Amino acid sequence: QSLLTQPPSVSAAPGQRVTISCSGSKSNVGSNFVSWYHQVPGTAPKLLIYDSDKRPSGIPDRFSGSRSGSTATLGITGLQTGDEADYYCGSWDSGLGTWLFGGGTKLTVL
Amino acid sequence: QLQLRESGPGLVKPSETLSLTCAVSGDSISTSYYYWGWIRQPPGKALEWIGSLYYSASTYYNPSLKSRLTLSADTSKNHFSLRLTSVTATDTAIYYCATSPMGLGEHFYFDSWGQGILVTVSS
Repeated sequence: QSLLTQPPSVSAAPGQRVTISCSGSKSNVGSNFVSWYHQVPGTAPKLLIYDSDKRPSGIPDRFSGSRSGSTATLGITGLQTGDEADYYCGSWDSGLGTWLFGGGTKLTVL
Repeated sequence: QLQLRESGPGLVKPSETLSLTCAVSGDSISTSYYYWGWIRQPPGKALEWIGSLYYSASTYYNPSLKSRLTLSADTSKNHFSLRLTSVTATDTAIYYCATSPMGLGEHFYFDSWGQGILVTVSS
Protein backbone atom coordinates (compact mmCIF):
# COMPACT_ATOMS: atom_id res chain seq x y z
CA GLN A 1 0.00 0.00 0.00
CA SER A 2 1.68 3.20 -1.18
CA LEU A 3 1.70 6.32 1.00
CA LEU A 4 0.78 8.28 -2.11
CA THR A 5 -2.75 7.27 -3.05
CA GLN A 6 -3.90 7.31 -6.67
CA PRO A 7 -7.16 5.99 -8.13
CA PRO A 8 -6.47 2.57 -9.71
CA SER A 9 -8.14 3.59 -12.95
CA VAL A 10 -9.75 6.48 -14.78
CA SER A 11 -11.38 6.63 -18.20
CA ALA A 12 -12.72 9.19 -20.62
CA ALA A 13 -13.56 9.56 -24.28
CA PRO A 14 -11.18 10.93 -26.92
CA GLY A 15 -11.06 14.70 -26.89
CA GLN A 16 -12.25 14.98 -23.30
CA ARG A 17 -10.39 16.01 -20.14
CA VAL A 18 -9.38 13.73 -17.30
CA THR A 19 -7.74 14.33 -13.95
CA ILE A 20 -5.70 11.95 -11.81
CA SER A 21 -5.22 12.68 -8.12
CA CYS A 22 -2.27 11.85 -5.88
CA SER A 23 -3.11 12.13 -2.21
CA GLY A 24 -0.36 12.17 0.37
CA SER A 25 0.43 13.85 3.67
CA LYS A 26 2.23 16.84 5.17
CA SER A 27 5.59 15.08 5.04
CA ASN A 28 5.49 14.37 1.30
CA VAL A 29 3.07 16.07 -1.12
CA GLY A 30 2.20 18.66 1.51
CA SER A 31 5.76 19.97 1.75
CA ASN A 32 7.67 18.72 -1.29
CA PHE A 33 7.15 19.05 -5.02
CA VAL A 34 5.47 16.30 -7.04
CA SER A 35 6.49 14.74 -10.33
CA TRP A 36 4.37 12.68 -12.71
CA TYR A 37 5.40 9.84 -15.00
CA HIS A 38 3.72 8.15 -17.92
CA GLN A 39 4.38 4.46 -18.63
CA VAL A 40 3.13 2.53 -21.63
CA PRO A 41 3.15 -1.17 -20.61
CA GLY A 42 6.42 -2.83 -21.55
CA THR A 43 8.34 0.44 -21.71
CA ALA A 44 10.21 2.63 -19.25
CA PRO A 45 8.44 5.47 -17.42
CA LYS A 46 8.77 8.96 -18.90
CA LEU A 47 8.75 12.25 -17.02
CA LEU A 48 5.63 14.34 -17.69
CA ILE A 49 5.59 16.95 -14.92
CA TYR A 50 8.17 18.05 -12.35
CA ASP A 51 8.09 20.59 -9.52
CA SER A 52 4.33 19.93 -9.37
CA ASP A 53 3.45 22.05 -12.41
CA LYS A 54 6.41 22.29 -14.81
CA ARG A 55 6.61 20.45 -18.12
CA PRO A 56 9.94 19.21 -19.55
CA SER A 57 10.64 20.28 -23.10
CA GLY A 58 8.75 18.16 -25.59
CA ILE A 59 5.77 17.49 -23.34
CA PRO A 60 2.65 19.10 -24.87
CA ASP A 61 0.64 21.64 -22.90
CA ARG A 62 -2.28 19.19 -22.89
CA PHE A 63 -0.59 17.88 -19.74
CA SER A 64 -0.71 20.02 -16.60
CA GLY A 65 0.01 19.59 -12.93
CA SER A 66 -1.16 21.30 -9.78
CA ARG A 67 -0.88 20.86 -6.03
CA SER A 68 -3.15 21.97 -3.22
CA GLY A 69 -2.37 21.01 0.33
CA SER A 70 -1.43 17.34 0.41
CA THR A 71 -3.05 16.46 -2.92
CA ALA A 72 -1.52 16.82 -6.36
CA THR A 73 -3.44 16.53 -9.59
CA LEU A 74 -2.44 15.66 -13.14
CA GLY A 75 -4.73 16.99 -15.84
CA ILE A 76 -4.85 15.82 -19.43
CA THR A 77 -6.97 17.63 -22.00
CA GLY A 78 -7.80 16.67 -25.59
CA LEU A 79 -7.43 12.98 -24.77
CA GLN A 80 -5.91 10.80 -27.47
CA THR A 81 -5.81 7.02 -27.74
CA GLY A 82 -2.04 7.30 -27.45
CA ASP A 83 -2.48 8.67 -23.93
CA GLU A 84 -3.57 5.23 -22.72
CA ALA A 85 -0.93 4.25 -20.18
CA ASP A 86 -0.20 3.96 -16.49
CA TYR A 87 0.47 7.24 -14.69
CA TYR A 88 2.53 7.52 -11.49
CA CYS A 89 3.07 10.41 -9.13
CA GLY A 90 6.17 10.73 -6.97
CA SER A 91 7.38 12.87 -4.09
CA TRP A 92 10.11 13.00 -1.47
CA ASP A 93 8.98 12.18 2.05
CA SER A 94 10.85 14.37 4.51
CA GLY A 95 9.76 12.34 7.52
CA LEU A 96 10.76 8.93 6.20
CA GLY A 97 13.78 10.19 4.28
CA THR A 98 12.77 8.29 1.17
CA TRP A 99 11.35 8.84 -2.31
CA LEU A 100 7.79 7.62 -2.78
CA PHE A 101 5.87 6.63 -5.88
CA GLY A 102 2.09 6.40 -5.98
CA GLY A 103 0.40 3.10 -6.73
CA GLY A 104 -0.28 4.12 -10.32
CA THR A 105 -3.42 4.92 -12.30
CA LYS A 106 -4.41 3.16 -15.50
CA LEU A 107 -5.89 5.59 -18.02
CA THR A 108 -8.29 4.15 -20.56
CA VAL A 109 -9.39 6.27 -23.51
CA LEU A 110 -12.76 4.84 -24.47
CA GLN B 1 21.71 13.45 -25.04
CA LEU B 2 22.08 11.33 -21.94
CA GLN B 3 21.50 7.61 -22.46
CA LEU B 4 21.36 4.87 -19.86
CA ARG B 5 21.54 1.12 -20.34
CA GLU B 6 21.17 -1.54 -17.67
CA SER B 7 23.01 -4.85 -17.84
CA GLY B 8 23.40 -7.93 -15.68
CA PRO B 9 22.09 -11.44 -15.17
CA GLY B 10 18.41 -12.01 -15.77
CA LEU B 11 18.22 -14.87 -13.28
CA VAL B 12 19.51 -14.95 -9.72
CA LYS B 13 19.12 -17.75 -7.19
CA PRO B 14 17.45 -17.12 -3.82
CA SER B 15 19.87 -16.02 -1.07
CA GLU B 16 22.45 -14.92 -3.65
CA THR B 17 23.51 -11.41 -4.66
CA LEU B 18 21.93 -9.42 -7.48
CA SER B 19 24.41 -7.19 -9.31
CA LEU B 20 23.47 -4.75 -12.06
CA THR B 21 25.34 -2.05 -13.96
CA CYS B 22 24.05 1.06 -15.69
CA ALA B 23 26.24 2.32 -18.53
CA VAL B 24 26.06 6.07 -19.10
CA SER B 25 26.66 7.76 -22.45
CA GLY B 26 26.32 11.39 -23.40
CA ASP B 27 27.78 12.74 -20.17
CA SER B 28 30.40 11.90 -17.59
CA ILE B 29 29.47 10.56 -14.18
CA SER B 30 32.41 12.37 -12.59
CA THR B 31 31.73 15.84 -13.99
CA SER B 32 27.97 15.81 -14.25
CA TYR B 33 25.79 17.31 -11.56
CA TYR B 34 23.31 14.44 -11.83
CA TYR B 35 22.30 12.03 -9.13
CA TRP B 36 22.31 8.45 -10.46
CA GLY B 37 19.55 6.19 -9.25
CA TRP B 38 17.80 2.85 -9.38
CA ILE B 39 14.07 2.12 -9.40
CA ARG B 40 12.38 -1.27 -9.66
CA GLN B 41 8.96 -2.53 -10.65
CA PRO B 42 7.69 -6.01 -9.75
CA PRO B 43 5.62 -7.51 -12.57
CA GLY B 44 2.21 -5.83 -12.69
CA LYS B 45 3.00 -3.62 -9.69
CA ALA B 46 4.02 -0.05 -8.93
CA LEU B 47 7.42 1.59 -9.09
CA GLU B 48 9.71 1.51 -6.03
CA TRP B 49 12.76 3.74 -5.49
CA ILE B 50 15.80 1.69 -4.56
CA GLY B 51 18.41 4.38 -4.03
CA SER B 52 20.52 7.11 -5.59
CA LEU B 53 24.13 8.21 -5.51
CA TYR B 54 26.27 11.19 -6.38
CA TYR B 55 29.62 10.31 -7.95
CA SER B 56 31.55 11.83 -5.05
CA ALA B 57 30.44 8.82 -3.00
CA SER B 58 27.29 10.19 -1.42
CA THR B 59 24.71 7.43 -1.37
CA TYR B 60 21.04 7.47 -0.40
CA TYR B 61 19.10 4.27 0.15
CA ASN B 62 15.47 3.30 0.54
CA PRO B 63 15.30 2.46 4.27
CA SER B 64 13.47 -0.78 3.47
CA LEU B 65 16.45 -2.05 1.41
CA LYS B 66 19.35 -0.34 3.16
CA SER B 67 20.65 -3.38 5.02
CA ARG B 68 21.08 -5.36 1.78
CA LEU B 69 21.99 -2.62 -0.67
CA THR B 70 25.19 -1.08 -2.00
CA LEU B 71 25.35 1.51 -4.78
CA SER B 72 28.65 2.51 -6.33
CA ALA B 73 30.10 4.34 -9.32
CA ASP B 74 33.09 3.57 -11.55
CA THR B 75 34.15 6.83 -13.16
CA SER B 76 36.80 5.12 -15.32
CA LYS B 77 34.07 3.04 -17.00
CA ASN B 78 31.42 5.75 -16.73
CA HIS B 79 28.93 3.44 -15.15
CA PHE B 80 27.25 2.94 -11.81
CA SER B 81 26.18 -0.24 -10.10
CA LEU B 82 23.70 -1.83 -7.76
CA ARG B 83 24.39 -4.77 -5.45
CA LEU B 84 21.52 -6.34 -3.51
CA THR B 85 22.34 -9.24 -1.22
CA SER B 86 20.25 -12.14 0.11
CA VAL B 87 17.61 -11.87 -2.59
CA THR B 88 14.23 -13.57 -2.42
CA ALA B 89 11.37 -13.98 -4.87
CA THR B 90 10.04 -10.58 -3.77
CA ASP B 91 13.08 -8.99 -5.40
CA THR B 92 11.89 -10.20 -8.82
CA ALA B 93 11.29 -7.02 -10.82
CA ILE B 94 12.23 -4.88 -13.77
CA TYR B 95 15.15 -2.77 -12.60
CA TYR B 96 15.56 0.71 -14.11
CA CYS B 97 18.44 3.13 -13.77
CA ALA B 98 17.54 6.80 -13.94
CA THR B 99 18.99 10.26 -13.48
CA SER B 100 17.94 13.11 -11.24
CA PRO B 101 19.10 16.67 -11.96
CA MET B 102 18.42 17.81 -8.40
CA GLY B 103 19.59 16.54 -5.04
CA LEU B 104 17.35 14.46 -2.81
CA GLY B 105 14.63 16.44 -1.17
CA GLU B 106 12.03 18.99 -2.15
CA HIS B 107 12.81 19.25 -5.89
CA PHE B 108 13.90 15.66 -6.56
CA TYR B 109 12.59 13.83 -9.64
CA PHE B 110 13.77 11.43 -12.38
CA ASP B 111 14.24 12.89 -15.85
CA SER B 112 15.98 10.18 -17.90
CA TRP B 113 15.43 6.44 -17.63
CA GLY B 114 17.11 3.34 -18.98
CA GLN B 115 15.04 0.75 -20.82
CA GLY B 116 14.99 -1.57 -17.81
CA ILE B 117 16.14 -5.14 -17.22
CA LEU B 118 14.01 -7.97 -15.87
CA VAL B 119 15.63 -9.86 -13.03
CA THR B 120 13.97 -13.04 -11.82
CA VAL B 121 14.87 -14.60 -8.49
CA SER B 122 14.33 -18.33 -8.74
CA SER B 123 16.16 -21.58 -8.13
